[in-house]
Amino acid sequence: KAGVTQTPRYLIKTRGQQVTLSCSPISGHRSVSWYQQTPGQGLQFLFEYFSETQRNKGNFPGRFSGRQFSNSRSEMNVSTLELGDSALYLCASSLVRKNTEAFFGQGTRLTVV
Amino acid sequence: QKEVEQDPGPLSVPEGAIVSLNCTYSNSAFQYFMWYRQYSRKGPELLMYTYSSGNKEDGRFTAQVDKSSKYISLFIRDSQPSDSATYLCAMGAGTSTDTGRRALTFGSGTRLQVQP
Repeated sequence: KAGVTQTPRYLIKTRGQQVTLSCSPISGHRSVSWYQQTPGQGLQFLFEYFSETQRNKGNFPGRFSGRQFSNSRSEMNVSTLELGDSALYLCASSLVRKNTEAFFGQGTRLTVV
Repeated sequence: QKEVEQDPGPLSVPEGAIVSLNCTYSNSAFQYFMWYRQYSRKGPELLMYTYSSGNKEDGRFTAQVDKSSKYISLFIRDSQPSDSATYLCAMGAGTSTDTGRRALTFGSGTRLQVQP
């Protein structure tokens, strides 16, 4: 059974640019969540999508956005990149049942220069 | 104060030792608990998932939850050099609907080094 797939694995962008990251969940998982991981702040929740709708959002500025498609694949977008956005962005997928396990992808490492 | 507290380590043990990793939390809404292992430059790998207080065993790993004390632990028996990684605890609030919140709150991670 294939795991969570995130693309690309590595990205280097310049301040002010925007970036789009992609996540394909485990087959049958309809909930996708995004997290940002940095050495200083650890893993922080960005947002969660289910049935193409954002269900929950963490404490991040509006420059961070996402969407989910009918096949449960999800994308997140960061506009007007700042140096502080450099991080490992992780996607997690879950079955749509309450209190279930979340499985993570390998992440996309974004470097903003 | 953070909702989830975890000692960052590093924790260094000899091969074969029993390792104890711990997290405390302050939010009574947390109902389910997970432990992840993360190798350098990789995504977190789910090790254990527990919903109720008590112990859950899976091979060399035992997860323990004490909701009354708001304290969770992960024990690793017969530790191996390949267990050297960062261990993250994660917690989620219980929901009453399928579309409820599934946001996880993570500890900062404990870096474990198992010396051969």
